[in-house]
Amino acid sequence: DSGVTQTPKHLITATGQRVTLRCSPRSGDLSVYWYQQSLDQGLQFLIQYYNGEERAKGNILERFSAQQFPDLHSELNLSSLELGDSALYFCASTTSGVTGELFFGEGSRLTVL
Amino acid sequence: DQQVKQNSPSLSVQEGRISILNCDYTNSMFDYFLWYKKYPAEGPTFLISISSIKDKNEDGRFTVFLNKSAKHLSLHIVPSQPGDSAVYFCAASRGMKTSYDKVIFGPGTSLSVIP
Repeated sequence: DSGVTQTPKHLITATGQRVTLRCSPRSGDLSVYWYQQSLDQGLQFLIQYYNGEERAKGNILERFSAQQFPDLHSELNLSSLELGDSALYFCASTTSGVTGELFFGEGSRLTVL
Repeated sequence: DQQVKQNSPSLSVQEGRISILNCDYTNSMFDYFLWYKKYPAEGPTFLISISSIKDKNEDGRFTVFLNKSAKHLSLHIVPSQPGDSAVYFCAASRGMKTSYDKVIFGPGTSLSVIP
């Protein structure tokens, strides 16, 4: 158990809909990362937050947005969903000063029909 | 632009032999490199790392080698065990310079260790 909690574990929705994925980081971790893993693809970096502020951005679509709340949990919002958005979405957390050792949740599997 | 590359999508090795997983990177600003292991239906877990000031780091059966001039790193697993069968991701960051930078992952190599 990494200590990172992601909900929901599975989500099935239709094209055009909007969903919110939630991540609770490990206790004490200030930094949260979001990654997307599509079928047979690697982990694509989406966005990083540190203590409520956006710190780094990857190839995140404009239809996607994220935020980190004062209690440090984070949400990834995906809107106007398309079939190609079907993927595993991972959240990871780490303490500041750590050079990349991320602790991952089990992921949220999104299926868009 | 794929900054971290793992050119072998899969690798099959006999139990007890050495597994060598390779990784190349293009961004010379990366100064910290990591390997993660992923089992199906689980999130990736950290395995071993190396900073750019070293060329080798060892942890039990796992050793990572870094060749900065070639922008290449490799993970050696000796001896390989069936439980090592998983997808291995190489990752890189500029963590030595800033704690808050993105961590870029390669596409992964699926290792199968045959009993």
